[in-house]
Amino acid sequence: RKEVEQDPGPFNVPEGATVAFNCTYSNSASQSFFWYRQDCRKEPKLLMSVYSSGNEDGRFTAQLNRASQYISLLIRDSKLSDSATYLCVVNFSGGYNKLIFGAGTRLAVHP
Amino acid sequence: DTGVSQDPRHKITKRGQNVTFRCDPISEHNRLYWYRQTLGQGPEFLTYFQNEAQLEKSRLLSDRFSAERPKGSFSTLEIQRTEQGDSAMYLCASSLGQGDKNIQYFGAGTRLSVL
Repeated sequence: RKEVEQDPGPFNVPEGATVAFNCTYSNSASQSFFWYRQDCRKEPKLLMSVYSSGNEDGRFTAQLNRASQYISLLIRDSKLSDSATYLCVVNFSGGYNKLIFGAGTRLAVHP
Repeated sequence: DTGVSQDPRHKITKRGQNVTFRCDPISEHNRLYWYRQTLGQGPEFLTYFQNEAQLEKSRLLSDRFSAERPKGSFSTLEIQRTEQGDSAMYLCASSLGQGDKNIQYFGAGTRLSVL
């Protein structure tokens, strides 16, 4: 079983749609959680950290459920520029903060 | 540009050759990481430095791979006797190593193609 699992998609949505991605992780000792965004053939860039209480950044909302070991990302009012791969990322306590990435979920927003 | 810098951006080599990649982290970042990413997968951790000390290595890092960070600033990743399976994007990241989140910032990567 992979340490971080995501639905690979692709999710094809029209502009203005709301879309949600989920992710599960296997190690209950996971300490920090993130969503990174990666454009085609580019490096991953931090989209947002994920906090236990849930957090929002503009059109993006992230949730963490430690009991179920699951993380979600909600994107409201999708823009064409949101088209990318969204990587769910965790790090485990005691692991020198190395990041464990999911394989990513592809999002394609069309006009 | 004060971000993480990697060189070269692309490298094409023949099987059996040695290659070396360089990473310059963000200034003042004492932590440096190497990851490898293949098509359709997320990045996979290879190794980690805190200053000049290499503190963790993944089992993915076979004995053909070696990484150094001699003065605690830039780092090099060398692959000896390259194999076709080494073809991937090699990503470097750095962080300040402070606070709970220890956010990692990635360079643009070196894309290696082994023919």
